Amino acid sequence: ELKVEQNPLFLSMQEGKNYTIYCNYSTTSDRLYWYRQDPGKSLESLFVLLSNGAVKQEGRLMASLDTKARLSTLHITAAVHDLSATYFCAVDMNAGTASKLTFGTGTRLQVTL
Amino acid sequence: EPEVTQTPSHQVTQMGQEVILRCVPISNHLYFYWYRQILGQKVEFLVSFYNNEISEKSEIFDDQFSVERPDGSNFTLKIRSTKLEDSAMYFCASSRRQGRGSGANVLTFGAGSRLTVL
Repeated sequence: ELKVEQNPLFLSMQEGKNYTIYCNYSTTSDRLYWYRQDPGKSLESLFVLLSNGAVKQEGRLMASLDTKARLSTLHITAAVHDLSATYFCAVDMNAGTASKLTFGTGTRLQVTL
Repeated sequence: EPEVTQTPSHQVTQMGQEVILRCVPISNHLYFYWYRQILGQKVEFLVSFYNNEISEKSEIFDDQFSVERPDGSNFTLKIRSTKLEDSAMYFCASSRRQGRGSGANVLTFGAGSRLTVL
């Protein structure tokens, strides 16, 4: 059974600081997604990482994938309050069929002034 | 930007009642999904649907659950006899491509239907 674990589960950080969220998964996959969820809202796609060494950046967020280590990271640079949300990584194990995402536990990020 | 729409946004029901949650996926998408999220927990896969049949279902998706695409636009999730533990946010999602092969298969999620079973 695929296990996807994130750490930390909760992160409180000050504006302007940098931090990294880690996503570890238990079975080989080269298809990993990062989603953002605001309280009571839906899941917004942030990044799609499709191969070993993939790196994607959007604004203050940068995601990377190391398939050999079964690890993805989401790095936050110079955090701002608007980034406060819960961040989920999700791994897709299916090949050639409909997707089946296994989500991580989520990291609740709180950026304080 | 195209979006997945879900109704109702919130439904309260008595235990044992039937519930139907409705979704309108993005029009040119071929794959449809239901996920659920119990309050404060992670998002869990329920079922995927393609070409008018279930592609895969999870252990959660037992005989009490069913899905249907009754016409060209709607995709529904039915729970026949609700239990307290069915209380959750149910997300519909759709995607255009297969899981692998031709690039990213990004799922677009709807805003969710919150189900409260009393």
